[in-house]
Amino acid sequence: GENVEQHPSTLSVQEGDSAVIKCTYSDSASNYFPWYKQELGKGPQLIIDIRSNVGEKKDQRIAVTLNKTAKHFSLHITETQPEDSAVYFCAASRGGSGDKLTFGTGTRLAVRP
Amino acid sequence: ETGVTQTPRHLVMGMTNKKSLKCEQHLGHNAMYWYKQSAKKPLELMFVYSLEERVENNSVPSRFSPECPNSSHLFLHLHTLQPEDSALYLCASSQSQGTNQPQHFGDGTRLSIL
Repeated sequence: GENVEQHPSTLSVQEGDSAVIKCTYSDSASNYFPWYKQELGKGPQLIIDIRSNVGEKKDQRIAVTLNKTAKHFSLHITETQPEDSAVYFCAASRGGSGDKLTFGTGTRLAVRP
Repeated sequence: ETGVTQTPRHLVMGMTNKKSLKCEQHLGHNAMYWYKQSAKKPLELMFVYSLEERVENNSVPSRFSPECPNSSHLFLHLHTLQPEDSALYLCASSQSQGTNQPQHFGDGTRLSIL
């Protein structure tokens, strides 16, 4: 089955700096890669996703890159703000009906004011 | 408002109690999921329902019993739980089964087993 590894487990950055979280996956057939943000006391919220037919996707200060050859994908947050502090999860799946998401173990991001 | 509402938010129960977790989605979705979230571990998929029919049971112990009376409601009935079952239980929904549709999560029920 699929295995997703996520690094780092904790990340602290100064407000305004960039943050990068990286994930690797094992199943070469995976083609759907969502990222979730989980704030304290809340459930995970989808913030961006990417499919294997593109190498990069951007939404304002958030971007995700995908390298299918190396089987890794990354989340980039630019101009970080205190409200970006949360736990971020990556996930991977084959993306078809009936398939399931395999999640990473999460990255706790702290943005220092 | 996430569109997926879970109750109760917190639950403390003894090992011999019977309780139920409730999930309701207001998004018109046809698939619903139960996940278990434990510290330092990835989210674990427990059950999947599509159009009120269970389509996946990920080797979950029988002390967890799901019920999906309609496409908007999902329950998780708990009976004779163990201390290791203490965790955050998350409900999610998606337009259809599978991951070609984004999953929307509720805020979870924090369960503590005494």
